[in-house]
Amino acid sequence: NAGVMQNPRHLVRRRGQEARLRCSPMKGHSHVYWYRQLPEEGLKFMVYLQKENIIDESGMPKERFSAEFPKEGPSILRIQQVVRGDSAAYFCASSPGQGPHEQYFGPGTRLTVT
Amino acid sequence: GENVEQHPSTLSVQEGDSAVIKCTYSDSASNYFPWYKQELGKRPQLIIDIRSNVGEKKDQRIAVTLNKTAKHFSLHITETQPEDSAVYFCALRKAAGNKLTFGGGTRVLVKP
Repeated sequence: NAGVMQNPRHLVRRRGQEARLRCSPMKGHSHVYWYRQLPEEGLKFMVYLQKENIIDESGMPKERFSAEFPKEGPSILRIQQVVRGDSAAYFCASSPGQGPHEQYFGPGTRLTVT
Repeated sequence: GENVEQHPSTLSVQEGDSAVIKCTYSDSASNYFPWYKQELGKRPQLIIDIRSNVGEKKDQRIAVTLNKTAKHFSLHITETQPEDSAVYFCALRKAAGNKLTFGGGTRVLVKP
């Protein structure tokens, strides 16, 4: 049973470019969460999605960031016009559904903006 | 909103000694309290969790205690081993929501 998959594992972008991060949840999981971890800090919630629905985006920056989880395919976190401050590790987690379910984390995508 | 304070930020212990990490929170609606271990460059991995209807839970050398009245919960690692060296994060979740709110982390170093 494959765990949560994320790709790419490492991503280098120049300032102003776009970054696309992908997350495939565990088999049977329909809920996806994105977290950002700045160097030497804890994880900060960004967005919670179900298939074709954004449930909670209270942690998403108002500009340049967007997320989707289409009916088919992985969840995508998109960062437009990246800046140096976007450099971080972005972790995706999945769970089977609402309520008292553990969230399983993917290996993360380490974004470096040069 | 939710807020979690985690202490200490770094902890150095001798192999075989115990390590204790404490987290305090403010939102009484929180009802799920997991602890994650993160090794350098790796994903956070759940090591133990506790729900608000339980005061203590133990799994081999790891235990978690919860005091809902005082709004704090703690991780206890006994008989520490070098492989316990990592960053440990507490987290919590409100009853009505699904997002996890994380503490700032504790870097644990177990010296052989």
